[in-house]
Amino acid sequence: AQTVTQSQPEMSVQEAETVTLSCTYDTSESDYYLFWYKQPPSRQMILVIRQEAYKQQNATENRFSVNFQKAAKSFSLKISDSQLGDAAMYFCAYGLQAGTALIFGKGTTLSVSS
Amino acid sequence: EAQVTQNPRYLITVTGKKLTVTCSQNMNHEYMSWYRQDPGLGLRQIYYSMNVEVTDKGDVPEGYKVSRKEKRNFPLILESPSPNQTSLYFCASSLNRGHGYTFGSGTRLTVV
Repeated sequence: AQTVTQSQPEMSVQEAETVTLSCTYDTSESDYYLFWYKQPPSRQMILVIRQEAYKQQNATENRFSVNFQKAAKSFSLKISDSQLGDAAMYFCAYGLQAGTALIFGKGTTLSVSS
Repeated sequence: EAQVTQNPRYLITVTGKKLTVTCSQNMNHEYMSWYRQDPGLGLRQIYYSMNVEVTDKGDVPEGYKVSRKEKRNFPLILESPSPNQTSLYFCASSLNRGHGYTFGSGTRLTVV
């Protein structure tokens, strides 16, 4: 069975600094997708970034980028130039195809201080 | 605006009283899903649907029912709620493989 592990329950960063959130997953499949979702205090689930496993190039969305290591089954999220609005819980998720389950990690709570 | 709308946002009910949480999406997505979020457990899938009249169980389906009579709607039904179903519930929809899900705003359910 596929599993997703986020080993850091809590992280903190200062404004303008860079932080990396870790995620590892376990799968025997070769074709899959990985996602990072952000959940601010409003509890809305917001898609931050996604990565197709068949693509070697790491995905980037503005200040957010990933380090995808397929052989190591690692998918970390880097937030550059952190802002107060980045404070939230971040979930890593794995999916084989839409319509079946997205498997979520247990989340990492990120706090940002000024 | 493209969105997933679920109602109500908050609900307090008593054990055994049937309830329905509605979910509607305006993006013509084929795939819809229900998740529950509990502290320390992340999000777990309850049921999903790949199209009209096509539904299947997720990881934690016990005590829940769903239906997909129209493409846009995917209600979650609790026939006899129990306190262990107190949770934050999310409806989500997806266009296709790899796009990820668009989530509704969540329903905070408390069963007393």
